[in-house]
Amino acid sequence: GESVGLHLPTLSVQEGDNSIINCAYSNSASDYFIWYKQESGKGPQFIIDIRSNMDKRQGQRVTVLLNKTVKHLSLQIAATQPGDSAVYFCAEKNNNNDMRFGAGTRLTVKP
Amino acid sequence: NAGVTQTPKFQVLKTGQSMTLQCAQDMNHNSMYWYRQDPGMGLRLIYYSASEGTTDKGEVPNGYNVSRLNKREFSLRLESAAPSQTSVYFCASRPGQASNKQFFGPGTRLTVL
Repeated sequence: GESVGLHLPTLSVQEGDNSIINCAYSNSASDYFIWYKQESGKGPQFIIDIRSNMDKRQGQRVTVLLNKTVKHLSLQIAATQPGDSAVYFCAEKNNNNDMRFGAGTRLTVKP
Repeated sequence: NAGVTQTPKFQVLKTGQSMTLQCAQDMNHNSMYWYRQDPGMGLRLIYYSASEGTTDKGEVPNGYNVSRLNKREFSLRLESAAPSQTSVYFCASRPGQASNKQFFGPGTRLTVL
């Protein structure tokens, strides 16, 4: 899962396997969440979002799961490819309608 | 559409120098944001502009000023750069109240010596 600090959590998976990246959020009142992908030297890129009235949302090869009881969010990537290697971070909408971002998890896909 | 563009891509300053980071979006978005990203940390909001003509402080505004020049452009100014401002700066835009999705620029890597 994500944490704040100098070293990002890392996840290494084999090409073709499924990846699960976790995120713990802090505000039980947050009603909207986003997952971003950030490749080296680039800006964050939107992957998928989910509102708090949903438990699950699927996109192309990605699924986001929301567990409000334990304030946990996960991103599942099916059939992970080398191009999926990046830092992934979640963001929650806070009370001021601004987004609060996690530090991220570095995903490495081994060929 | 180019999306969100930022200039420059890289910059090295000496302590005490000033500079302005430029950001422009061509998506007709109402809201624009400036973030900084430091190693191992999440994006932190410096300033934002909910709509043309308005600006507000974010989480870490000290040492920065902003100008929402028009609907397209939102600049970030460092009046007297300090080593603590060494970071990667990202500009983002959002359509407006109807969407929380933010679109990011490619970033400016700033080093203050």
